[in-house]
Amino acid sequence: KAGVTQTPRYLIKTRGQQVTLSCSPISGHRSVSWYQQTPGQGLQFLFEYFSETQRNKGNFPGRFSGRQFSNSRSEMNVSTLELGDSALYLCASRPDRGLTGELFFGEGSRLTVL
Amino acid sequence: GESVGLHLPTLSVQEGDNSIINCAYSNSASDYFIWYKQESGKGPQFIIDIRSNMDKRQGQRVTVLLNKTVKHLSLQIAATQPGDSAVYFCAERNRDDKIIFGKGTRLHILP
Repeated sequence: KAGVTQTPRYLIKTRGQQVTLSCSPISGHRSVSWYQQTPGQGLQFLFEYFSETQRNKGNFPGRFSGRQFSNSRSEMNVSTLELGDSALYLCASRPDRGLTGELFFGEGSRLTVL
Repeated sequence: GESVGLHLPTLSVQEGDNSIINCAYSNSASDYFIWYKQESGKGPQFIIDIRSNMDKRQGQRVTVLLNKTVKHLSLQIAATQPGDSAVYFCAERNRDDKIIFGKGTRLHILP
């Protein structure tokens, strides 16, 4: 069974640009969560999508958005990029909500903002 | 953002010894507490979890202990091996089914 796939793995953008990251969950998993990982702040929850609906949201500005498609694939978008948005963006899937706390993570998309 | 990730403490353990990684959590209403391992260049990987109504749970070479009185969680790794070298995160699942990660601890294995 294929794991969580994130694309692109690495990307470089400049301030003011926007970026879209993609995540394909494990087949059969309906929940997709996104996290931002930085050395100073650790792993911070961005949002979770389940059956194409945003079910949970972290404390990030409106520049961060996401969506989920009918096949459970998810994208997140960051507009008007700032230097502080440089981070590893991790996607995680799980079969359903309300089970345990086990998330299956991808290897992340490393975003560098210049 | 929601996280308790500030500094990254490091634990150095001799190969073959037992490792104990500690974590303090904040939300008494969380129903699951989880440990993840993150190796360099990879995403976090689930190790073990424990329900809030339990005090101890054992897995293969790992044991998780939960002390709800002092809101403390620990991960014990028996006979630490070089492959255990990684950053370890505790996490909790809150009432909204949101999984929030705590501080990471870097485990360094000494030969």
